[in-house]
Amino acid sequence: SQQGEEDPQALSIQEGENATMNCSYKTSINNLQWYRQNSGRGLVHLILIRSNEREKHSGRLRVTLDTSKKSSSLLITASRAADTASYFCATDATMNNYGQNFVFGPGTRLSVLP
Amino acid sequence: DGGITQSPKYLFRKEGQNVTLSCEQNLNHDAMYWYRQDPGQGLRLIYYSQIVNDFQKGDIAEGYSVSREKKESFPLTVTSAQKNPTAFYLCASSMLGSNQPQHFGDGTRLSIL
Repeated sequence: SQQGEEDPQALSIQEGENATMNCSYKTSINNLQWYRQNSGRGLVHLILIRSNEREKHSGRLRVTLDTSKKSSSLLITASRAADTASYFCATDATMNNYGQNFVFGPGTRLSVLP
Repeated sequence: DGGITQSPKYLFRKEGQNVTLSCEQNLNHDAMYWYRQDPGQGLRLIYYSQIVNDFQKGDIAEGYSVSREKKESFPLTVTSAQKNPTAFYLCASSMLGSNQPQHFGDGTRLSIL
């Protein structure tokens, strides 16, 4: 079962514009992470936001979390062609004796046009 | 340079054949994971291990097997029982505990001949 679902599935913008991607999830979480994947490569961790945080910044990235709506958003400001990639949210799932696993959504494919 | 190395980058499987994908990390992470990614889709967890000589099934373990004899290594075998093995396979590792990001390799693309 999928915990996180990103929206939109695909997004095309011009260089310099802002890009906003959303993630909705179904059950309570301890934290939510955003990852980026360039075509044919592995995922790269971007940012983690804990359930008691509402907003977090890292460079041109801004992440918000609304636990009452079970949703998060990732904003990339002043986008560049190099930001073209797929972006995934991951929510913590099973807690077992050793730690926890994460469930990844299907991702948003972002294209930044020069 | 610390990181995760997956090999090979491309792999072809004949019918009835088992193939093994390699994953090695030098990040001193206790936890390691295998995911399958199909075109345009998210990641699905196949197996994970959080300690040497122990591993747990993920959501889609059928047709796959793993071993964890060393902390650094977590190979995945795609057996002939996996009838639809064509996919992009990603290995990841992390420190134990909550709030730990996962570090990914660059994947192995498996195709059927």
